[in-house]
Amino acid sequence: DVVMTQTPVSLPVSLGGQASISCRSSQSLVHSNGNTYLHWYLQKPGQSPQLLIYRVSNRFSGVPDRFSGSGSGTDFTLKISRVEPEDLGDYYCLQSTHFPPTFGSGTKLEIK
Amino acid sequence: QVQLKESGPGLVQPSQTLSLTCTVSGFSLTSYNVHWVRQPTGKGLEWMGVIWTGGSTDYNSALKSRLSISRDTSKSQVFLKMNSLQTEDIATYYCARNYYYSAPFDYWGQGVMVTVSS
Repeated sequence: DVVMTQTPVSLPVSLGGQASISCRSSQSLVHSNGNTYLHWYLQKPGQSPQLLIYRVSNRFSGVPDRFSGSGSGTDFTLKISRVEPEDLGDYYCLQSTHFPPTFGSGTKLEIK
Repeated sequence: QVQLKESGPGLVQPSQTLSLTCTVSGFSLTSYNVHWVRQPTGKGLEWMGVIWTGGSTDYNSALKSRLSISRDTSKSQVFLKMNSLQTEDIATYYCARNYYYSAPFDYWGQGVMVTVSS
């Protein structure tokens, strides 16, 4: 199975500041069809995960443009600019290029 | 609108079988795949298995011997059964959908918390 390594484990940020989360995979996430199936989720306290970014850099419906994703191959980043209180929670990356789908271990975004 | 909702007993005795139902609305089980994902309290997400639009299934190799996923398309329900439950299976269980093989899970249920205890 593909191992997804997320860093940092915890990320203290100031409201209005910027946050950056890294996700690295144990093998390339480029599918044979040329697409890269790396997605990002936010799980707010007491809620189920919600999709933020799909296929590396595409924002899901309703996701503000403060969220951006980038990366290629095995190295991916989620950036959050102008952090707001509603952004706090646990962030997970998910790869679905290779079967079975596997999640990163999570990054907790918290107030500094 | 799209909804998924898990239901089932919150408490299961050790060595017994867990039975959960995911009831969906706003889409068809013949158009979307439904996955099960679980999360031990305070820990990360673990993919468990999937029932594809055609009705076939795939499972996490670590759970394959204990896990079964099925569905009733007429009732828009997907079922999870896992036997020989132990304390390591204490978790919140989610169902989620995706549109094609490698698509992201775009909608999730609220989750159901399952405890294993006598």
